[in-house]
Amino acid sequence: AQKVTQAQTEISVVEKEDVTLDCVYETRDTTYYLFWYKQPPSGELVFLIRRNSFDEQNEISGRYSWNFQKSTSSFNFTITASQVVDSAVYFCALSEASGGTSYGKLTFGQGTILTVHP
Amino acid sequence: DVKVTQSSRYLVKRTGEKVFLECVQDMDHENMFWYRQDPGLGLRLIYFSYDVKMKEKGDIPEGYSVSREKKERFSLILESASTNQTSMYLCASSLGEGTGAAYGYTFGSGTRLTVV
Repeated sequence: AQKVTQAQTEISVVEKEDVTLDCVYETRDTTYYLFWYKQPPSGELVFLIRRNSFDEQNEISGRYSWNFQKSTSSFNFTITASQVVDSAVYFCALSEASGGTSYGKLTFGQGTILTVHP
Repeated sequence: DVKVTQSSRYLVKRTGEKVFLECVQDMDHENMFWYRQDPGLGLRLIYFSYDVKMKEKGDIPEGYSVSREKKERFSLILESASTNQTSMYLCASSLGEGTGAAYGYTFGSGTRLTVV
């Protein structure tokens, strides 16, 4: 069975600090997809990034960056120069793709509550 | 703008009531999902549907049922609401088998249900 662990329950930083959200996953499949979602106070989960298991390149999008390391089964998310608007709950998720029978079911981590203070 | 719409943002129901949570998507997605979200537990899958009238149990189906009579609509039913079903319920949809795994979900805004 697949599992996603976000060990950090809550993180509190001051604006302009850099912050890294950790994500560790378990799966027996060789083909899978990893995701990060953001849930602002409005409640709707917003897609941030998708990474497939064959692509270990790090990715940067503005102030956001992601570090995918298969050797440690980790997919960490860093926000550079954090802002108050980054305050949200962040979820890491894993989808197995083997055999096409998973129907894209996502397994989510417990979520990390990020609070950025002015 | 494509959307997943959940009919109610907040609901308060009494113990023992039958509760219907409605979800509609306008993206012609094959797959639809119901999750519940609880602090410290993340999102847990209740049921999902990969086609009209088709359904599969997720990780925590007890006390729930679902209905998918039309492709765009997926309903979650609490047969006899209990206080331990107080939670945030999130509906999501995705493209069909295989493809959905690659592209993840589109989520609704959630329904916060309180059972008293």
